[in-house]
Amino acid sequence: QQQVKQSPQSLIVQKGGISIINCAYENTAFDYFPWYQQFPGKGPALLIAIRPDVSEKKEGRFTISFNKSAKQFSLHIMDSQPGDSATYFCAASKGGSEKLVFGKGTKLTVNP
Amino acid sequence: GAGVSQSPSNKVTEKGKDVELRCDPISGHTALYWYRQSLGQGLEFLIYFQGNSAPDKSGLPSDRFSAERTGGSVSTLTIQRTQQEDSAVYLCASSLRGTQYFGPGTRLTVL
Repeated sequence: QQQVKQSPQSLIVQKGGISIINCAYENTAFDYFPWYQQFPGKGPALLIAIRPDVSEKKEGRFTISFNKSAKQFSLHIMDSQPGDSATYFCAASKGGSEKLVFGKGTKLTVNP
Repeated sequence: GAGVSQSPSNKVTEKGKDVELRCDPISGHTALYWYRQSLGQGLEFLIYFQGNSAPDKSGLPSDRFSAERTGGSVSTLTIQRTQQEDSAVYLCASSLRGTQYFGPGTRLTVL
């Protein structure tokens, strides 16, 4: 079964706009929720991560919003730039050092 | 310092052949993970090594897949009798305290 569901599959945003990617999880034992950014031909790179004791975490233009009761979390990219064009993956794990369960990814295109 | 490295970057093989994929983790990282990324799919966990503990092999899709980690450092993922459905990018990651750092992957094509 798919433990982490990610949407949308693809997203097109104009430069300067806000990109929003959503994820939902099933396993309430998950307690670590990272977002990874992947450029073609490269491995995924950690963008930002959150634990369920906070509802929001912001790092620069990137914000994670977390809703524990709804078992949902989302990535917001403010002032989106063409250089943000990549595939974004949400993930979850039980304990930060455990195996990650990934969503299927969102291909983001930011038009200039 | 150096990141996670993987070799080869690309591997083309014939159905039925065995392949070995190598991962060099970041020096000092105690945990090492293998994932598989198929076209249009997310990353699928394969196996996880943590220090001297027994590896978590729960993600290996069949007994044709195996992995070892020698001396707590380099790891090799072996796929025996490769099948066309094994074609994918195989990613290795390592971590010390939670954050997993990924290598560039090995793209495996089985003809």
